[in-house]
Amino acid sequence: ETGVTQTPRHLVMGMTNKKSLKCEQHLGHNAMYWYKQSAKKPLELMFVYNFKEQTENNSVPSRFSPECPNSSHLFLHLHTLQPEDSALYLCASSQEGLAEGTGELFFGEGSRLTVL
Amino acid sequence: GENVEQHPSTLSVQEGDSAVIKCTYSDSASNYFPWYKQELGKRPQLIIDIRSNVGEKKDQRIAVTLNKTAKHFSLHITETQPEDSAVYFCAANPGYSSASKIIFGSGTRLSIRP
Repeated sequence: ETGVTQTPRHLVMGMTNKKSLKCEQHLGHNAMYWYKQSAKKPLELMFVYNFKEQTENNSVPSRFSPECPNSSHLFLHLHTLQPEDSALYLCASSQEGLAEGTGELFFGEGSRLTVL
Repeated sequence: GENVEQHPSTLSVQEGDSAVIKCTYSDSASNYFPWYKQELGKRPQLIIDIRSNVGEKKDQRIAVTLNKTAKHFSLHITETQPEDSAVYFCAANPGYSSASKIIFGSGTRLSIRP
């Protein structure tokens, strides 16, 4: 148990579906992240939330929509995805200081997404 | 922005031998360089990190070296064991951001031959 849990672990959806991925961290961290892991681009940063504010959007298509209602929960809303969006989506959290954090990312086990 | 290059993409070594993985980065303002290990079917986990104020750091069989002038850093694993088989990712933080907004290299799949 690393303190970061993701649901669902596996998701199969059609291109017209709308689904959401959920991440919850029990570590008291103040920053959360979404990463995409695929064979073409391992560990690609998508979004960063620091103190619930989105501080990074790494040129992610609008069909991916993040939501961070509080510092413990992070969602990734999915709609009208493409088959090339099939990948492992990893959530992570870290503790950020005012000047510089420890830098250690604690990852969840990931949500394996397949888009048909 | 920051770009991290990692080599080799695959590496196979005999058990007991050493393994070296090399990375280069582009942002001269980067000051934090972690290494993550991802075993098959598992999540990435931090194994060692180094900050720009030191040139080398060791933790048992693992060591990392940093050359800021050349903008490259390396992971060294000595006396390799079967449990070292995994994908290893180097990373660096963009100079404009705090430590955890790190950019990962493409990964090295390390296999240890018995």
